[in-house]
Amino acid sequence: EVQLLESGGGLVQPGGSLRLSCAASGFTFSSYAMSWVRQAPGKGLEWVSAVSASGSSTYYADSVKGRFTISRDNSKNTLYLQMSTLRAEDTALYYCAKLRGDHVWDYFDYWGQGTLVTVSS
Amino acid sequence: DIVMTQSPDSLAVSLGERATINCKSSQSVLHNSNNKNYLAWYQQKPGQPPKLLIYWASTRESGVPDRFSGSGSGTDFTLTISSLQAEDVAVYYCQQYYSTPFTFGPGTKVDIK
Repeated sequence: EVQLLESGGGLVQPGGSLRLSCAASGFTFSSYAMSWVRQAPGKGLEWVSAVSASGSSTYYADSVKGRFTISRDNSKNTLYLQMSTLRAEDTALYYCAKLRGDHVWDYFDYWGQGTLVTVSS
Repeated sequence: DIVMTQSPDSLAVSLGERATINCKSSQSVLHNSNNKNYLAWYQQKPGQPPKLLIYWASTRESGVPDRFSGSGSGTDFTLTISSLQAEDVAVYYCQQYYSTPFTFGPGTKVDIK
């Protein structure tokens, strides 16, 4: 059974940093691209970032480019999102999502339960 | 960026009746190389993460009831629930994975009339 377990969320002040983790199990992690998608309270879904299966290719939404860094450790079956210079508008539930293939141009077939990031003073 | 729009914003349908949700992309998501539409549909129930329903615009994900179907090509797509059940109350999102940034529609809320 595919499981994606996010952690690392919490309350952070504007301008602060946070690192999210997503522990994956139930599939061969190194064979699949992964992504982060966020959802602000009461709002719709916003794609944040994606990484290829090997980790060699990364992609970002303009809203987070230069502030967020996606990475993965295939030896630990874990996906990361390093978030810096956080803004109030980054407040959201952050989902880890698995893509169907090894490259990012694919659909999200499994989602975690999400970890909540709140940016506030 | 490809902008995704959905209509209606919400709809209420009687149990057993048909529900139809439309999704439009600002540019074609049909890839000429493989003749596939890079369009997916997701269902999100309150307090839950999204769940994949349909990919390649019309392929039903394994385990998804056959009352859910997707259609369309290019820029215009439709998700149809042929006979609405109580458990189908949710918000439905379309999403393009043709090009980054991947984008979602604003969602359509489906309720029971």
